[in-house]
Amino acid sequence: DAGITQSPRHKVTETGTPVTLRCHQTENHRYMYWYRQDPGHGLRLIHYSYGVKDTDKGEVSDGYSVSRSKTEDFLLTLESATSSQTSVYFCAISYLGTENNEQFFGPGTRLTVL
Amino acid sequence: AQKVTQAQTEISVVEKEDVTLDCVYETRDTTYYLFWYKQPPSGELVFLIRRNSFDEQNEISGRYSWNFQKSTSSFNFTITASQVVDSAVYFCALSEPKAAGNKLTFGGGTRVLVKP
Repeated sequence: DAGITQSPRHKVTETGTPVTLRCHQTENHRYMYWYRQDPGHGLRLIHYSYGVKDTDKGEVSDGYSVSRSKTEDFLLTLESATSSQTSVYFCAISYLGTENNEQFFGPGTRLTVL
Repeated sequence: AQKVTQAQTEISVVEKEDVTLDCVYETRDTTYYLFWYKQPPSGELVFLIRRNSFDEQNEISGRYSWNFQKSTSSFNFTITASQVVDSAVYFCALSEPKAAGNKLTFGGGTRVLVKP
């Protein structure tokens, strides 16, 4: 199993509250990703990182920010949580070699915004 | 923009039946990768297969097989002699070229329910 952990695994919060989700990897992979999973939408990319302090937006980045100060950690922050951000959040990592570009996913974080 | 369509939202079969999951994709890139992931009821995402756009050979792995047809932009997945443990949501995904960060575009998923 790829060494990816996410914390917390479950969180319930209130609208307007800031929330930070953490993804930690032990693989030293350069690429890390945050996705959200919602019924009927599959997984959609929020933000990704291609190195320390190097990040870029994905398809559904509004309302989210990220930071990566160390190779092993990628943080996702909801500055002011809204009910529409209730979702399951997955972190992923990728080696991105010539033929090894599959992404491996963490266990997910279930976030409920009341 | 890239797009992946899994038209079947849910498939229900009886154990030992074969089941085929459809995946149709759209991309303007000539180099791309296609993936299938499995999400069992426990919720984790499990990588099943990667296929690059230059390799149209079909692949078989045990009871799983994949049919990649560039001409129809499809990458279908068949489970032969299904088992209850195959019950899961299956996602097809498409990746952008390496320069764009290897981002994945997922289909909406197909839920497979295998009844004993």
